Amino acid sequence: QKEVEQNSGPLSVPEGAIASLNCTYSDRGSQSFFWYRQYSGKSPELIMSIYSNGDKEDGRFTAQLNKASQYVSLLIRDSQPSDSATYLCAVNVPEGNNAGNMLTFGGGTRLMVKP
Amino acid sequence: DAGVIQSPRHEVTEMGQEVTLRCKPISGHDYLFWYRQTMMRGLELLIYFNNNVPIDDSGMPEDRFSAKMPNASFSTLKIQPSEPRDSAVYFCASSPAGGLADTQYFGPGTRLTVL
Repeated sequence: QKEVEQNSGPLSVPEGAIASLNCTYSDRGSQSFFWYRQYSGKSPELIMSIYSNGDKEDGRFTAQLNKASQYVSLLIRDSQPSDSATYLCAVNVPEGNNAGNMLTFGGGTRLMVKP
Repeated sequence: DAGVIQSPRHEVTEMGQEVTLRCKPISGHDYLFWYRQTMMRGLELLIYFNNNVPIDDSGMPEDRFSAKMPNASFSTLKIQPSEPRDSAVYFCASSPAGGLADTQYFGPGTRLTVL
């Protein structure tokens, strides 16, 4: 069974600090990794995708992938109160005829950025 | 461009009643996904379609649930009869391409309450 694990939090950081969110996954065949942000009462919104080992930066966000250790992380620099949300990690494992669009989501980490 | 459209946004019904949730994917997207989100179980994939054909329905909880996609611009998720444990937020998402998993765009969700 494919599993994606996240600490549910809440993770509390002061405004301006770096928030570090972590995710581990069980299936070594996983090829694509995504971070979604979900505000309370809203739908998930994709903020980062990463496909190869290493870091990928987009503005204040950096995704890090380590396939050998089976973890993916999201760093948020200069955290703002508007970053307060639940962050969902999602992993894709292509199987057989499955073209690879199925995602398995973690339970999410709730981030709170305090002014 | 309009995003994924779902209706109704809120549905309150009594146990035993039939519930039909509707989704219009983003025009040109090949894949459509139905998810259910609860506090206890997080975001779960129920079923997904490729070019209107159901590909994987292994997440459908039981025979009370059924989904159809009669054409590229419309899908329904039906629960008959509904039970209180079906109360959740149901999301529809669509993605534009096959191959490796691509960006899934989520609709606003339907909050279902079964009394």
